[in-house]
Amino acid sequence: TQLLEQSPQFLSIQEGENLTVYCNSSSVFSSLQWYRQEPGEGPVLLVTVVTGGEVKKLKRLTFQFGDARKDSSLHITAAQPGDTGLYLCAGAAYNQGGKLIFGQGTELSVKP
Amino acid sequence: DARVTQTPRHKVTEMGQEVTMRCQPILGHNTVFWYRQTMMQGLELLAYFRNRAPLDDSGMPKDRFSAEMPDATLATLKIQPSEPRDSAVYFCASGGWVGSAFFGQGTRLTVV
Repeated sequence: TQLLEQSPQFLSIQEGENLTVYCNSSSVFSSLQWYRQEPGEGPVLLVTVVTGGEVKKLKRLTFQFGDARKDSSLHITAAQPGDTGLYLCAGAAYNQGGKLIFGQGTELSVKP
Repeated sequence: DARVTQTPRHKVTEMGQEVTMRCQPILGHNTVFWYRQTMMQGLELLAYFRNRAPLDDSGMPKDRFSAEMPDATLATLKIQPSEPRDSAVYFCASGGWVGSAFFGQGTRLTVV
């Protein structure tokens, strides 16, 4: 069974601080994605990484895929209250027909 | 603006009743996922389809849950009979290639 473990589960910081969320597994994934979910809504895809060691930037968000394609991180620079939400990582393995499994999520609260 | 549409948004039903949730995937997407989200378990994959064929439904309680895609524009998830422990938010997501998923707004199910 493939599992994705996210840490931390909860994070409360002040506006302007930096933070990193981690997503780890013992399994290899062909691609890994990050989503953000707000209350009452479905998760929204932020980014997909597919190459080991790949780094993608989306404004103040930096995503990295581990060299072995088993882990990933999300770094937010100068967090803003609008970044508040549930951040989810998800992994897909091509040898399982594209099955997409999710981590438990990191609940981020950014206080003004 | 292409989006996944789920109906109903909210459903309150009595234990033992049949519940049907519907999903219209994004036109052109060939993969459809059904997830259940609870505070305790996070996002659990119930079933998914590719080109309307079920690929994996191992996450579903087989005795009461069933998922189908009668055509490319409609996916359904049925629970019969429903139980209080089925109370959760059920999400449908569709994707056009392995490793992507675009979510609907979910159906919040309450079984009393």
